[in-house]
Amino acid sequence: DTGVSQNPRHKITKRGQNVTFRCDPISEHNRLYWYRQTLGQGPEFLTYFQNEAQLEKSRLLSDRFSAERPKGSFSTLEIQRTEQGDSAMYLCASSLGGAVGYTFGSGTRLTVV
Amino acid sequence: TQLLEQSPQFLSIQEGENLTVYCNSSSVFSSLQWYRQEPGEGPVLLVTVVTGGEVKKLKRLTFQFGDARKDSSLHITAAQPGDTGLYLCAGLITGGGADGLTFGKGTHLIIQP
Repeated sequence: DTGVSQNPRHKITKRGQNVTFRCDPISEHNRLYWYRQTLGQGPEFLTYFQNEAQLEKSRLLSDRFSAERPKGSFSTLEIQRTEQGDSAMYLCASSLGGAVGYTFGSGTRLTVV
Repeated sequence: TQLLEQSPQFLSIQEGENLTVYCNSSSVFSSLQWYRQEPGEGPVLLVTVVTGGEVKKLKRLTFQFGDARKDSSLHITAAQPGDTGLYLCAGLITGGGADGLTFGKGTHLIIQP
């Protein structure tokens, strides 16, 4: 098992463009989480899935943000009409749920110019 | 308002010294985790504590969960340059609904040789 994989590692985009990030979790983990981390801050929870069901999405930052996990395996996070304030590290994590710790990927660093 | 307050925010000490970092909240957590993060990478789980008053040791690191499950501390003995990094505490709020971990802002630790 290679852990949680995120692609791309870095993304530079122009303001107004749409971007999509991919996360491949640990195969045995049924829960998948997306976080955003800005400079000097801890990760901020965005949304999570249990298998293919998105159980919490009220914390997504705006309606420009959406996430999918169509077959309960990999997940994508899309940001439409990007803004400079969207520049951040987007982290994906997976777990078996409950009090078990999360395994994070290395993140996707988004820069909006 | 930050749900989890970490202190200090920054700490720079000499190799061989001891240190303690703190994580405090007014909320009760069903579990609390400590992570270490290096620049450009995702957080890596160090420990999970679930029982009030619990103490866990990981080599030179000692983690304690408060009796009321509202606070935690991380103590490092004889710090080494390899301990340098961002230390994050994160908790699952009891009855909080959303199942995503809430993170503190972190303690930036630098161990100078």
